[in-house]
Amino acid sequence: GESVGLHLPTLSVQEGDNSIINCAYSNSASDYFIWYKQESGKGPQFIIDIRSNMDKRQGQRVTVLLNKTVKHLSLQIAATQPGDSAVYFCAERDLEGGGADGLTFGKGTHLIIQP
Amino acid sequence: NAGVMQNPRHLVRRRGQEARLRCSPMKGHSHVYWYRQLPEEGLKFMVYLQKENIIDESGMPKERFSAEFPKEGPSILRIQQVVRGDSAAYFCASSPQGWDQPQHFGDGTRLSIL
Repeated sequence: GESVGLHLPTLSVQEGDNSIINCAYSNSASDYFIWYKQESGKGPQFIIDIRSNMDKRQGQRVTVLLNKTVKHLSLQIAATQPGDSAVYFCAERDLEGGGADGLTFGKGTHLIIQP
Repeated sequence: NAGVMQNPRHLVRRRGQEARLRCSPMKGHSHVYWYRQLPEEGLKFMVYLQKENIIDESGMPKERFSAEFPKEGPSILRIQQVVRGDSAAYFCASSPQGWDQPQHFGDGTRLSIL
């Protein structure tokens, strides 16, 4: 079936560097995407979202890019800090199709910050 | 300004017992979603509810699992006759009305089956 997936299970970056976390999705009908951050023992924390009629959206230290042509989503974190260490999930919602109203999650990328 | 509240945080049950997981959505949120997460995996959608209505239960097993969101009180996810395979973290999320509103998650209930 169609699903959301991530290219790399683990990403290690130096503190202060920029991080880029990638996500490939296969459901071309998906038109709403969200990035979540999950720390150990906690629930997913909303970071930023983007609708399919946009290709870029910026938040505080984070930017999400959406490329619908190749069905690719990325999360950029500027000036990575130790507190950014977590597992990052992209999630999609197919708002036009039938089926589940919930989000479809990828498996996650573990971001490790090196001092 | 409380977020989504789930309880208990940890629940241990023996095979064959019942598990009840509770979720209080964020203030002002009328939509509730339940997800299950296995270790090292993403969350899997189970069910979507509004007050007194199940809107979509396509991700929930047909047997032993049920969910409700009564007019008063929290949403309940109920698992009857639990088996070892039910061991997982169960997360609840809520959102306000609107197709493009992000879901906000609680910290989950970790269910362990002995």
